[in-house]
Amino acid sequence: DAGVIQSPRHEVTEMGQEVTLRCKPISGHNSLFWYRQTMMRGLELLIYFNNNVPIDDSGMPEDRFSAKMPNASFSTLKIQPSEPRDSAVYFCASSPGTARPLHFGNGTRLTVT
Amino acid sequence: AQSVTQLGSHVSVSEGALVLLRCNYSSSVPPYLFWYVQYPNQGLQLLLKYTSAATLVKGINGFEAEFKKSETSFHLTKPSAHMSDAAEYFCAVSDRGTSYGKLTFGQGTILTVHP
Repeated sequence: DAGVIQSPRHEVTEMGQEVTLRCKPISGHNSLFWYRQTMMRGLELLIYFNNNVPIDDSGMPEDRFSAKMPNASFSTLKIQPSEPRDSAVYFCASSPGTARPLHFGNGTRLTVT
Repeated sequence: AQSVTQLGSHVSVSEGALVLLRCNYSSSVPPYLFWYVQYPNQGLQLLLKYTSAATLVKGINGFEAEFKKSETSFHLTKPSAHMSDAAEYFCAVSDRGTSYGKLTFGQGTILTVHP
């Protein structure tokens, strides 16, 4: 079991640029979650998918953020255009069902200058 | 809306001492409750969960937590701290009837263990 794989581990970009974060969930897991961690706001749920379908995106901060899950083994979180306040650690997590706990990836640390 | 309060952003104990990390939740209906641990530069790892069975829940690495409805608390304890327990600990809740993964987290408690 390779765990949840996120790429890149670190991303540094300039304000206004597009950023794409990637996630490969654990094989067989049908729920996928994107969380953001900042010092000020702690851990926040951005969006989650069940069976590749977005279920709740109420945590997505604004239209600059979008997430997709084109198949069961891949998801992306895109920020366009990026802003310095988007700097955070973004975690992807998956679970084998709605009544099963999460398995987290190691996160992507995003810095927007 | 759900909320979680972790009392004490930093807790420091000696190796071998009792670890007590406090968590209180606000909800009209007892939620599902979780404790996660985060080591530096890593994701979160589940320590234990309370869903509806025994109120005393045992988890990994010798940790346990007790659900007390009357106090709306779910404090995490370990009888004897090890150096390897140094990490940040998060209490989290999710509503009954929703996904276990739709979590509201507390602000975290950094545990320091000194020799």
